[in-house]
Amino acid sequence: DIQMTQSPSSLSASVGDRVAITCQASQDISNYLNWYQQKPGKDPKLLIYDASNLETGVPSRFSGSGSGTDFTFTISSLQPEDIATYYCQQCDTLPLTFGGGTKVEIK
Amino acid sequence: EVQLLESGGGLVQPGGSLRLSCAASGFTFSIYAMSWVRQAPGKGLDWVSGISSGGSTYYRDSVKGRFTISRDNSKNTLFLQMNSLRAEDTAVYYCAKNRGGIPYYYGMDVWGQGTTVTVSS
Repeated sequence: DIQMTQSPSSLSASVGDRVAITCQASQDISNYLNWYQQKPGKDPKLLIYDASNLETGVPSRFSGSGSGTDFTFTISSLQPEDIATYYCQQCDTLPLTFGGGTKVEIK
Repeated sequence: EVQLLESGGGLVQPGGSLRLSCAASGFTFSIYAMSWVRQAPGKGLDWVSGISSGGSTYYRDSVKGRFTISRDNSKNTLFLQMNSLRAEDTAVYYCAKNRGGIPYYYGMDVWGQGTTVTVSS
């Protein structure tokens, strides 16, 4: 199975801060990388697909980059409604695998 | 409105069975792959199984031989038959729509609200 190593596991930042989360795959996955947001008690929501494509309706402060084994997810200006856990997920090879998650909190 | 609605979760003893259902609406169900993803209490997300638009099935190793995924395109419904359940299968189970016709290469863009499965004596 492809291992997805996500860091940090948690972070605390102020409203308006730029926040970055990294995700490293254990082997080359090209750009088959997605990012999800999960708010407490809710189902996950797809934010970014194919490493850098913004899902329809998702605010432009969210972005993704990378290819191969190293990927980055960025929130350009953190908002209170962005409090959630964020997961990366590879879809290059079955079984699909997720990173361990990054819990984002407001300082 | 695009929607997925799971049902069928509950409390079951180890070794027991459950059948989860996921009713889809608001999109052409038959042309998309579908997946089941679970989340154990306080833990992250784990992909469990997927089915292509053509009916090909895929499983994670830990559920192979115990779980069966299927779909009824005439009723826009996805199923997960779970047999020989273990304590480690305890989780919220989400059904999810894949963006394409196969469960890999594409993200999952629509999710249900989840149904809880608890395996305990």
